Amino acid sequence: DTEVTQTPKHLVMGMTNKKSLKCEQHMGHRAMYWYKQKAKKPPELMFVYSYEKLSINESVPSRFSPECPNSSLLNLHLHALQPEDSALYLCASSHPGQGINEQFFGPGTRLTVL
Amino acid sequence: GQQVMQIPQYQHVQEGEDFTTYCNSSTTLSNIQWYKQRPGGHPVFLIQLVKSGEVKKQKRLTFQFGEAKKNSSLHITATQTTDVGTYFCAGRNDYKLSFGAGTTVTVRA
Repeated sequence: DTEVTQTPKHLVMGMTNKKSLKCEQHMGHRAMYWYKQKAKKPPELMFVYSYEKLSINESVPSRFSPECPNSSLLNLHLHALQPEDSALYLCASSHPGQGINEQFFGPGTRLTVL
Repeated sequence: GQQVMQIPQYQHVQEGEDFTTYCNSSTTLSNIQWYKQRPGGHPVFLIQLVKSGEVKKQKRLTFQFGEAKKNSSLHITATQTTDVGTYFCAGRNDYKLSFGAGTTVTVRA
């Protein structure tokens, strides 16, 4: 299984809502990532988890809260978002370390904040 | 921080022609990866280059890593309609990938 799954595919939320994005992989990868991608832009790294511990937070606002409950799951909790947070949110996973560790991306959650 | 520049931003190619996209980094890279994102899709890994001066080929795609490990290129020969999409280079530092802006390729049949 070389797939990263993400739910939901689409999400529309108001600025006062609380929602969560979910990501799952069963490739035994111990590094997992959240990216934000705006239209016609490259993916922008938000968070990196390595062995279920947060290792990189790219100065992301606290209205985004990541969680890694176990080695297969990654969540992104959303609260009090702004319209400019509307984007495609991509999850990825890889083997950690310095070898060839391609990142496998999920299909993404397209988020719209009203 | 590490910055990866990529040009051109757009490439309109006649089917059958060749084109090249270029990446330059402000710092020496431990390695560089290339990804392709089809319209409406997600990035898909193409290749990783690690060694100075490395050249790798995948059918009609040729990837190069510069001698100083600060630049890379992707050359596609005999472009086909299946090559449509955005090609990203990404410089790797530990777990972190810094993506270039991407080259969006359209093909005229």
